[in-house]
Parts: sequence; structure tokens; C-alpha cells
Amino acid sequence: AQSVTQLGSHVSVSEGALVLLRCNYSSSVPPYLFWYVQYPNQGLQLLLKYTSAATLVKGINGFEAEFKKSETSFHLTKPSAHMSDAAEYFCAVSDWDSGGYQKVTFGTGTKLQVIP
Amino acid sequence: DGGITQSPKYLFRKEGQNVTLSCEQNLNHDAMYWYRQDPGQGLRLIYYSQIVNDFQKGDIAEGYSVSREKKESFPLTVTSAQKNPTAFYLCASSMGQAMNTEAFFGQGTRLTVV
Repeated sequence: AQSVTQLGSHVSVSEGALVLLRCNYSSSVPPYLFWYVQYPNQGLQLLLKYTSAATLVKGINGFEAEFKKSETSFHLTKPSAHMSDAAEYFCAVSDWDSGGYQKVTFGTGTKLQVIP
Repeated sequence: DGGITQSPKYLFRKEGQNVTLSCEQNLNHDAMYWYRQDPGQGLRLIYYSQIVNDFQKGDIAEGYSVSREKKESFPLTVTSAQKNPTAFYLCASSMGQAMNTEAFFGQGTRLTVV
């Protein structure tokens, strides 16, 4: 079964600084990867998804992620952090289970703090 | 508006009682999922379903049960056998027909055992 690992449960950046949130996947075949954002006491919202059409994926709110097969990574970046970016971010991978059904597995999440 | 509705938003349960969390979607999605969220543990999959009257156990199914009698509904019952049920529960749905289809989430139900 495929899985994702998020390095760093908490990340702090200054407002205006680069945001880098790390995600590595475990797969020998091209995975389908996603980044979601969660604000307190709310559900998750899709930021972007990798579907093999392009290695650099642009998402909402100025976020983007680059798929690097050689590093098995799909890190999320944003050039300039805004206070409204403070939230928890989840990397996820989509896979088939043994019965041929889609199964989506999430990482443990990274809380982003933006310092004024 | 299309989306996923979870109810109630907050739920309190006495120890030893079963409780059912509601999840309804009007996106015409085939696949539905239940996740449990605890601080520092991310989202853990409880049950998932791709078609009506069929569902699969996820990674932490013990102490939970589900049904899928209608395409748009996927209720989760937290039974008294679940030893630590206090958590934030999230329901999601997706088209389920291809791996690149994203999941859409409800707003969650926070369950507290008192």
C-alpha cells in the first residue's frame, strides 16, 4: 500500500517569507498525489493535485508543488507567506486496494504558523 | 449548492452508548469515506465504500460500523466497543472511478465522550 510522509509537524515562517512543506511518498509506480489545507474545526480543502500531466503543479492561493521522481517527493511551496496561510496542511496519496477500490491515505499533517 | 453535509457539528455521548454520525452528499459521487482525526496523527481511514450496499474496512475499523443503503448517504455508528471515541470525524466523497479524482470533505463532527 502506498503512503506519504510529511517531515515536520510544525513549521514557522515570517510573513513574506518562502513557505516549504515537505512530503515524500513510497511508491514504485507513479502515484496520484494531493495537497489539502485545513482551517481550525473545518473540513479539508483541495489545494492542488498531481496527475502526471506536468511535474510542476499550480494550485489555489499561490501554492505550487513539484513532483520529483528521483527524490520521491512532492513538496508544497509558496514564494511569500501571508497571515491567512496559517493552517494545517496534509499530503495525500490515492491508491487501489486489493479489491480494486480507490483508497485515499493522508500524511500526519504540518501546521504552518505565520509570524507577523 | 453541491457538497457534503455532516451532522451534527458537535456531539456528546455518555460512555457505553452507541451514536450515529450523519453524512450526506449531493455530488453524485460513487465513493464515500470516513476518517478520524486526532492531534498529531493526521487522518486515519475508518471505512470506505465505492458502491451501494458494499463497504470496506479501513485502517482503524474496530468499534465502528457503517451502512450504504443509498448512494448519497454513508452514516457512521460509533459503538460502545470503541475504547477512545473522542475525536474529530470527517466524511468525504469522490468520483471513485479514477485515482486522480480528489476527495471532497464535509465540515466534520466533533464527538466528545462525557
